[in-house]
Amino acid sequence: GIQVEQSPPDLILQEGANSTLRCNFSDSVNNLQWFHQNPWGQLINLFYIPSGTKQNGRLSATTVATERYSLLYISSSQTTDSGVYFCAVTYSGAGSYQLTFGKGTKLSVIP
Amino acid sequence: DAGITQSPRYKITETGRQVTLMCHQTWSHSYMFWYRQDLGHGLRLIYYSAAADITDKGEVPDGYVVSRSKTENFPLTLESATRSQTSVYFCASSEGQGRTFGSGTQLSVL
Repeated sequence: GIQVEQSPPDLILQEGANSTLRCNFSDSVNNLQWFHQNPWGQLINLFYIPSGTKQNGRLSATTVATERYSLLYISSSQTTDSGVYFCAVTYSGAGSYQLTFGKGTKLSVIP
Repeated sequence: DAGITQSPRYKITETGRQVTLMCHQTWSHSYMFWYRQDLGHGLRLIYYSAAADITDKGEVPDGYVVSRSKTENFPLTLESATRSQTSVYFCASSEGQGRTFGSGTQLSVL
């Protein structure tokens, strides 16, 4: 099956700093989503981004499907950004609704 | 309120007991999913449903049963709970490829 690798596994930031999270995938994907799991365990859909660039406030994401990676940018980080960020993909080799998750990047933003 | 809701939020049960986790969505999404989240494994798909009365196995279906008699509900049943089923369970729904998750059910099997 497809491999989804996220880096870095852990990240500690001072409040106000910027960061870039990376997601590499080993095969062509149909779709890609970024999720934020907050400290209370809730999974929040950030972006649905199979290709191109999207922005939502301080967050933006870029997927370069031909090079098999996606980036999530967090600018001016806040303590509420803490949690785990997951990248998840669907790909042709599995059922079209089989969403495969990476292991996540754990972000801690300290005041 | 519109959205996807799971119940209960927390559940403690004993090995061998039957337990049902509930999932309800108000968007009339065609697709619904059940995942479990465990340390070291991330989120894994248990079952999914493409429409009412249509269900299919995911990556880790053993020990679980699902049904979908109505579009808005997708209950997950553990017919005889085992300790290895202690986990956090997430329900999700989708119309198209994007997926929205419920708040999760934390299940402990003693």
